Amino acid sequence: ELKVEQNPLFLSMQEGKNYTIYCNYSTTSDRLYWYRQDPGKSLESLFVLLSNGAVKQEGRLMASLDTKARLSTLHITAAVHDLSATYFCAVDMSRTGNQFYFGTGTSLTVIP
Amino acid sequence: DTEVTQTPKHLVMGMTNKKSLKCEQHMGHRAMYWYKQKAKKPPELMFVYSYEKLSINESVPSRFSPECPNSSLLNLHLHALQPEDSALYLCASSRGQTSSGNTIYFGEGSWLTVV
Repeated sequence: ELKVEQNPLFLSMQEGKNYTIYCNYSTTSDRLYWYRQDPGKSLESLFVLLSNGAVKQEGRLMASLDTKARLSTLHITAAVHDLSATYFCAVDMSRTGNQFYFGTGTSLTVIP
Repeated sequence: DTEVTQTPKHLVMGMTNKKSLKCEQHMGHRAMYWYKQKAKKPPELMFVYSYEKLSINESVPSRFSPECPNSSLLNLHLHALQPEDSALYLCASSRGQTSSGNTIYFGEGSWLTVV
């Protein structure tokens, strides 16, 4: 059974601090996606990681993928209140490329 | 333009009703998806249509019936639902197979309450 687990599930951090969210998955895949969801809203695509060692950065967020360790990280630098949201990683499981499974989610609150 | 449009935004239905959720995209995407999301949980894959053919059905109960009339439209027909089916139903689309790195774009969702 596929498991996609995120750590931590809940994160409260002060503005200006750095932190990392971890996404572990239990089976082979080299396609990993990060999404953001605001309360009561849909999901917004943040990053697409397609190979071992891939690193993407956008603003204060940086995502990386280690397919050998089956681990992706989402690093937050100098957090601001606007980053408060739930963050999901998602793993594409199928060879044909249409079978997305989401991680457990990390609810981030940035405190002024 | 990365818009996936879902209607209705909110739906309340009784357990004996028949209703439908509708989804439309005009991005030329050839894969469309239905996900179910309960409160404070991750989205769960229900169905995948690829080139208008049902390619994945994640053992969803038959009271949920998907339909893809054409490459731009995706419906989810609902019949004899249970209160535990109350959730946010998300439609999504992608250019094609995500093995090519195609991102899945989500609609705003339809909030379903079964009474």
